[in-house]
Amino acid sequence: QVQLVESGGGVVQPGTSLRLSCAASGFTFTTYGMHWVRQAPGKGLEWVAFIRDDGSNTYYADSVKGRFTISRDTSRNTLYLQMNSLRAEDTAVYYCAKCGGSCYSIPFDYWGQGTLVTVSS
Amino acid sequence: QTVVTQEPSFSVSPGGTVTLTCGLNSGSVSIGHYPNWYQQTPGQAPRTLIYNTNIRSSGVPDRFSGSILGNRAALTITGAQADDESDYYCVLYMRSGIRVFGGGTKLTVL
Repeated sequence: QVQLVESGGGVVQPGTSLRLSCAASGFTFTTYGMHWVRQAPGKGLEWVAFIRDDGSNTYYADSVKGRFTISRDTSRNTLYLQMNSLRAEDTAVYYCAKCGGSCYSIPFDYWGQGTLVTVSS
Repeated sequence: QTVVTQEPSFSVSPGGTVTLTCGLNSGSVSIGHYPNWYQQTPGQAPRTLIYNTNIRSSGVPDRFSGSILGNRAALTITGAQADDESDYYCVLYMRSGIRVFGGGTKLTVL
């Protein structure tokens, strides 16, 4: 069955960097686009970034553009989110999510359980 | 700045029907926005309910349905049950891979 397992979260200071990972299994990783979605404590969901199945294109929310980079390693079946210049407002649970058959109509088919990032001095 | 709007809260009686909506500050929601709906309970990852406006995800009861009502996407729960008490989110496709979530609706069943 499809499994998405995030890791790499933790407590970091403002201005520093962190890399999140999402280990994928149970499906052909190279066939599906992947997203990162975050949720600040007590707040709603916020789409963060998307990468196409072949890694050819990436897209970002304005709130993270220029600071975050989404990437994927097909040899490891792993999705990454490199987060630089972190701010207090980046504090959130970060979920990775897999597209369905079509990323247009089914953007988030399966979700991981999330990893918590806390940015605080 | 694109803003996707949802009712902050709603309540429904057990067995009742409720329609949650998802709108755009800049115009109408259409099938070209590929509206999707998610259910989330505290401490859990979201669960996909409806994709592509009106298609139920696998395993979702048929009391959940999606549609376009006027200029908004809509999620209707017919015959609400106690365990439908959750947060509900819509998401819209905007352009070039960009998605925007609504602020979510907290549904109370009482």
